[in-house]
Amino acid sequence: QKEVEQDPGPLSVPEGAIVSLNCTYSNSAFQYFMWYRQYSRKGPELLMYTYSSGNKEDGRFTAQVDKSSKYISLFIRDSQPSDSATYLCAMITGGSQGNLIFGKGTKLSVKP
Amino acid sequence: NAGVMQNPRHLVRRRGQEARLRCSPMKGHSHVYWYRQLPEEGLKFMVYLQKENIIDESGMPKERFSAEFPKEGPSILRIQQVVRGDSAAYFCASSSAGNQPQHFGDGTRLSIL
Repeated sequence: QKEVEQDPGPLSVPEGAIVSLNCTYSNSAFQYFMWYRQYSRKGPELLMYTYSSGNKEDGRFTAQVDKSSKYISLFIRDSQPSDSATYLCAMITGGSQGNLIFGKGTKLSVKP
Repeated sequence: NAGVMQNPRHLVRRRGQEARLRCSPMKGHSHVYWYRQLPEEGLKFMVYLQKENIIDESGMPKERFSAEFPKEGPSILRIQQVVRGDSAAYFCASSSAGNQPQHFGDGTRLSIL
């Protein structure tokens, strides 16, 4: 079993839709959870950084962490064509010295 | 307001040559991380450095690969005697401290002929 599982998609939605992206993980020691957005030929851009279970909202983005189920989600409201990118979940243990573990990424396409 | 700067953006080498990839962290960041992204694969951690120290190199191949972050200047990822399998995108990230959010550069795309 891989440490972090993420459905690669591709996921295609119409403009304005609510998008749900998910990752599951197996290592209960993970404490910090991140979502990155990566456009083609660019580096990952940090979208959300969360520590505890629960929800964190930033504009159209909401990150959700359920440590009991080892499941994290990213919701995008009112999706825009500019949201078309690959979304990567990443996580790290509290005692880790910097080794981020990434999912493989979900490719999202928002159609006008 | 410079972010993480990587150069070159593209690097072409022939098998057996050396590749040097450079990374300048964000202003105020003293922690640097290198990751490799193979086609259709996720980002894989290679090495974590602070100034003049390697903190974690558990993801580095045992041979041909080395990294440094000198007191002055950028961090360098060095690949000696490159092989076709080294072709990948290499990303550098930096943070202000361990376990703080890591911010990434746009990568160096290494192609081996």
